[in-house]
Amino acid sequence: QLVVTQSPSASASLGASVKLTCTLSSGHSNYAIAWHQQQPEKGPRYLMKLNHDGSHTKGDGIPDRFSGSSSGAERYLTISSLQSEDEADYYCQTWGTGIRVFGGGTKLTVL
Amino acid sequence: QVQLVESGGGLVKPGGSLRLSCAASGFTFSDYYMSWIRQAPGKGLEWVSYMSGSGTTIYYADSVKGRFTISRDNAKNSIYLQMNSLRAEDTAVYYCAREFWEVGGYNGMDVWGQGTTVTVSS
Repeated sequence: QLVVTQSPSASASLGASVKLTCTLSSGHSNYAIAWHQQQPEKGPRYLMKLNHDGSHTKGDGIPDRFSGSSSGAERYLTISSLQSEDEADYYCQTWGTGIRVFGGGTKLTVL
Repeated sequence: QVQLVESGGGLVKPGGSLRLSCAASGFTFSDYYMSWIRQAPGKGLEWVSYMSGSGTTIYYADSVKGRFTISRDNAKNSIYLQMNSLRAEDTAVYYCAREFWEVGGYNGMDVWGQGTTVTVSS
């Protein structure tokens, strides 16, 4: 079964960097994912597509502070130079024919 | 600019029906697959259904199969979600999203609406 798993929460200080993790289920380690950001009381925003080899394509207007990387079944979102507006929920999403799957989301707190 | 605007949400009794709409602008609507996604209060995102640009390819999540129907009118740049036999657990904000495909394959949902709220309660 295709599943993506995320830690429920993360925190980091203003100006620092943080790395969020999304883990693909067994047998799906070569799948690509997408990262989405949801700020409080807003609809989600597409950040990027992240491939199994770490290559990624960002959405329009996404700052260079956001980057992606991969290792095995793990997909990462790194946010550098954290700003207050980065405090949000971050969701990874994967897909197959006839299915779209979201992780449970990681709530990022900027201290 | 590229935009999606949902409408049609509201309060409905269990067992009732509701039809959601999503109006698209700023892009060639018929070229794109579209998805519906929902978010229950305080919970994460749950994919509901997607439809191809031509309308010939449709899939549903198991949780809504047989109760919800996705459709689109490319002349009106709109996609719809007919929701029947509604249950309390269908209470959520419903989002429509554009599916981003390139030559290399699927890239995720790259444009989202602001959502419309559906509450199922007696």
